[in-house]
Amino acid sequence: EIVLTQSPTTMTASPGEKVTITCRASSSVSYMHWYQQKPGASPKPWIYETSKLASGVPDRFSGSGSGTSYSLTINNMEAEDAATYYCQQWNYPNTFGAGTKLELK
Amino acid sequence: QVQLKESGPGLVQPSETLSLTCTVSGFSLTSYSVSWVRQPSGKGPEWMGRMWYDGDTAYNSALKSRLSISRDTSKNQVFLKMNSLQTDDTGTYYCTRVLATEASYYFDYWGQGVMVTVSS
Repeated sequence: EIVLTQSPTTMTASPGEKVTITCRASSSVSYMHWYQQKPGASPKPWIYETSKLASGVPDRFSGSGSGTSYSLTINNMEAEDAATYYCQQWNYPNTFGAGTKLELK
Repeated sequence: QVQLKESGPGLVQPSETLSLTCTVSGFSLTSYSVSWVRQPSGKGPEWMGRMWYDGDTAYNSALKSRLSISRDTSKNQVFLKMNSLQTDDTGTYYCTRVLATEASYYFDYWGQGVMVTVSS
């Protein structure tokens, strides 16, 4: 099973700040997907195939990476971006990271 | 529009069997696969298993001995049954649609989830 380790576990960012969340895989994967979840809500697809933005996702978000190291970046943090972000890989069995909780400073 | 909705009991006794139903609309179960994903409170999601569009199934090996997924395409429903429940099976259970892209697959639509508590 591929274990996904996200860092940091929690972080705070001010409006306008650049944010980077990383996801490290215990073995190489071809792509990484990211989901955003707000309290009391279901996860939403956010970035798929490492760098493609899901429908409705603002273009201040971007994704990158390859092999065992992937990242999600927010340029110019906004209040609505405060949420928990999970990375996910598709190799069997599909696995998710433990999440990065992003809070607004 | 695409919708998935989970239904089932909110409380299950330890050692008993959990039965959940996912009712979908806006797409066909013979064209899209559906996965079950669960999430303990405050933790990351865990993929449980999948009903492929062609009727085949795949299970997380950690749960395979306890888990069964089936479907009724005429009713647009996917079913989950898991036996021998313990307290660490407590969490929110989601059904999700699987979207196949040119290069991979991901979960593009999620149900609202159903909270399941395992307790006597």
